[in-house]
Amino acid sequence: RKEVEQDPGPFNVPEGATVAFNCTYSNSASQSFFWYRQDCRKEPKLLMSVYSSGNEDGRFTAQLNRASQYISLLIRDSKLSDSATYLCVVKQPLVFGKGTRLSVIA
Amino acid sequence: DAGVIQSPRHEVTEMGQEVTLRCKPISGHDYLFWYRQTMMRGLELLIYFNNNVPIDDSGMPEDRFSAKMPNASFSTLKIQPSEPRDSAVYFCASKGGLLDTGELFFGEGSRLTVL
Repeated sequence: RKEVEQDPGPFNVPEGATVAFNCTYSNSASQSFFWYRQDCRKEPKLLMSVYSSGNEDGRFTAQLNRASQYISLLIRDSKLSDSATYLCVVKQPLVFGKGTRLSVIA
Repeated sequence: DAGVIQSPRHEVTEMGQEVTLRCKPISGHDYLFWYRQTMMRGLELLIYFNNNVPIDDSGMPEDRFSAKMPNASFSTLKIQPSEPRDSAVYFCASKGGLLDTGELFFGEGSRLTVL
């Protein structure tokens, strides 16, 4: 099993939709979890950390499920500007997922 | 404030040539990372430094790759000789604080094409 796996997508959703991505990891000892966003032909940038109790930042909600070894990212009320690739990180700085591509369509 | 600065932004070279990529981290950051990104393999950590000392180079693909950090404000990643399979985007990143908390700050990347 790969250390971290993400559905590559693309997820094509209309504006205003709610979309969720999962990222599964194999190392139960992983302690630090993050979501990064990468726009086309740009560098990754931190979107949000993922805390054990779950956390929210505006339209974005991140959750951690240690029992099932996955983290999730929920985006509510999708905007065109949310179109990007979302990378999960399960052991910073070592292990990045390959990313899930999101396209929000007008 | 200046972010992580990488050069060159683009490089096209022929197989067998030496390639040197450069990085200036954010001032005050004591960790520096070199990553490679391809469609097939995603973002892979090649090597990272703490206070200019290489800590983990297990991601360096082979002896053709070498990285140095002679001082806190400069690092290089060298490929000699280059091969077509080295074509990728190479990112440098830096951070302060603890290794596994807080944000990694990436440069804009160096896009390498080896013909």
